[in-house]
Amino acid sequence: GQNIDQPTEMTATEGAIVQINCTYQTSGFNGLFWYQQHAGEAPTFLSYNVLDGLEEKGRFSSFLSRSKGYSYLLLKELQMKDSASYLCAVLLDSNYQLIWGAGTKLIIKP
Amino acid sequence: GAGVSQSPSNKVTEKGKDVELRCDPISGHTALYWYRQSLGQGLEFLIYFQGNSAPDKSGLPSDRFSAERTGGSVSTLTIQRTQQEDSAVYLCASSSGLEQYFGPGTRLTVT
Repeated sequence: GQNIDQPTEMTATEGAIVQINCTYQTSGFNGLFWYQQHAGEAPTFLSYNVLDGLEEKGRFSSFLSRSKGYSYLLLKELQMKDSASYLCAVLLDSNYQLIWGAGTKLIIKP
Repeated sequence: GAGVSQSPSNKVTEKGKDVELRCDPISGHTALYWYRQSLGQGLEFLIYFQGNSAPDKSGLPSDRFSAERTGGSVSTLTIQRTQQEDSAVYLCASSSGLEQYFGPGTRLTVT
C-alpha cells in the first residue's frame, strides 16, 4: 500500500524557523510536492523535489532524500500568515497520480 | 487570469438525493482531477481526466459516483443516492504539467 506520514500539528513563534517532516513509503516515486492550504481555501503549490537535496525559494526550502523516503519543508522568518496546513504529496510513476499525506497544521503564535 | 472555479461552493442535501458538482478548469489545461477531502484526512484521489477521457477511475468510492468531462473543459461529478459518509469537501484541480492548480472546492453536507 501507499503511506505518507506527517505530524498532525505544530506550533511555532513568529520570526522563528520551523521544519515540517514527511516520510513516505510508496510503490513508485516521480517526485514530491509540498502544498499550502489555508483554512477553507484551495491548496496552493509551494515546491517540487525530484532529486536529492535542498531547493530554496525565498523563505521556504524543501529537502528530499529518496534513499530514506524522507522530505522536509523549512519555513524561515515565520509570519502570522504562514498559519496554515502544509500537505506533502508523492507523485507516483504514472505521472499524474498524487498520494497525499493528511497535512500538518502549523500554528504561529506572536 | 482566471483560476479553477467550482460550483456550488456549498451544498446541503438530504440523504438519498442526487447531487451534481461542477468544475471549470484553467483554459488550456488538458488534465483534470477530482479529489475528496474529509476533516483531518489527506486528499483522496477520485478520478483523472486527460482531455475528455478518464484513463483512471480507480478512486471512485462506489458506483454511485460518476464523472464526465465535455469539450476538454468543464467537468461534472455526480453522486447518486447520497449517503451521510459522502459529506466532505470535493476539490477539483487542473494542470498542463506536473503542478496541479486547485479550485476552492464544494463543501457537501448530507443530512
